[in-house]
Amino acid sequence: GAVVSQHPSRVICKSGTSVKIECRSLDFQATTMFWYRQFPKQSLMLMATSNEGSKATYEQGVEKDKFLINHASLTLSTLTVTSAHPEDSSFYICSAATGRGTDTQYFGPGTRLTVL
Amino acid sequence: DAKTTQPNSMESNEEEPVHLPCNHSTISGTDYIHWYRQLPSQGPEYVIHGLTSNVNNRMASLAIAEDRKSSTLILHRATLRDAAVYYCILLKYNNNDMRFGAGTRLTVKP
Repeated sequence: GAVVSQHPSRVICKSGTSVKIECRSLDFQATTMFWYRQFPKQSLMLMATSNEGSKATYEQGVEKDKFLINHASLTLSTLTVTSAHPEDSSFYICSAATGRGTDTQYFGPGTRLTVL
Repeated sequence: DAKTTQPNSMESNEEEPVHLPCNHSTISGTDYIHWYRQLPSQGPEYVIHGLTSNVNNRMASLAIAEDRKSSTLILHRATLRDAAVYYCILLKYNNNDMRFGAGTRLTVKP
């Protein structure tokens, strides 16, 4: 099956710093990529949807200036958490889809962010 | 958007079949029924999806009620590696906008 990778898998940073998370589709071209956030013992919450070459569409309540998303190519999307604070500590997961029909989404393994 | 309802948790014994139910009484004619599962500390993975007819693949079977208001994911022989949270999600054709509910946490006992 299709593979999606995320880097880094785990990151610890100080409060106030910015962190970039990469999401790559390794063996297919992803027209659409999604970013989710998951707090402990909770379900995934969709943060934003990005199409290659377009601005991301953010879900209500997600600050676009804080969570910068770039989908520069059909195989790479990045999420930058700017000026991270402890409440941003979470499990961030990306997924990718070709965008056709009932295409399944392929999820990355997730990035565990801890902000001290 | 149509909503799904699943039990919070279920238990199964290893090597026995597991039937995971999902109710979606407000499903529309263009909604596909998708199942994903999430193992601990991992991203979700696709399990199966269908529209009206029952579906089988190497991972599981999906039984869809005739009125489509409910469906059941069937794991034919549960293994310890099947312990995960299982999500039932409705998606329209050409729309990958996926919203996760709470899912069902499956525990498999040896």
